[in-house]
Amino acid sequence: DAKTTQPNSMESNEEEPVHLPCNHSTISGTDYIHWYRQLPSQGPEYVIHGLTSNVNNRMASLAIAEDRKSSTLILHRATLRDAAVYYCILRDVSGNTGKLIFGQGTTLQVKP
Amino acid sequence: EAQVTQNPRYLITVTGKKLTVTCSQNMNHEYMSWYRQDPGLGLRQIYYSMNVEVTDKGDVPEGYKVSRKEKRNFPLILESPSPNQTSLYFCASSLSSVGTGELFFGEGSRLTVL
Repeated sequence: DAKTTQPNSMESNEEEPVHLPCNHSTISGTDYIHWYRQLPSQGPEYVIHGLTSNVNNRMASLAIAEDRKSSTLILHRATLRDAAVYYCILRDVSGNTGKLIFGQGTTLQVKP
Repeated sequence: EAQVTQNPRYLITVTGKKLTVTCSQNMNHEYMSWYRQDPGLGLRQIYYSMNVEVTDKGDVPEGYKVSRKEKRNFPLILESPSPNQTSLYFCASSLSSVGTGELFFGEGSRLTVL
């Protein structure tokens, strides 16, 4: 099963950009890269996903390396509400398996 | 409102007393899955279901059972709970079994086994 590696924690100042890295060196051609975040006392929520090209939505941007072995979630202006645990996971698009490995994620602290 | 509903949200039980945690989604999603979350271990997948009557093991299935008799429901069954199953449990669903769809999570069920 393809796994991801993320730093345990990161800090940011409010209103500054944040770049959250994720390594997935064993990614297969049928894996989508998904990002979720978990606010305190809540279930995880979807942030963004992509396959090969960079993606933008209202919450964040996803930059995917050309070889797809790493990706970066970009929060353009961090707010205090962005303090959460961020998970990078791989989802198989082939439909052969529904297994998902979340790992421990990156705990983001945002300082005022 | 589109949602994934888990019940109960909180439960304290004793070793060996069978219990079921229910999960229901109102979005006609094909894929459903159960996770447990423990301090320092992150989210670990217990079981998943690609569609009705199709279930498979995740990374930590021991001590748990599931069933998927209808599309909207995916209950998690602990036949004989033990203290090491004390945890925070999350159910999730997505429209498709393939990787293009986002996962929707429930609010979690905190289980304590004494």
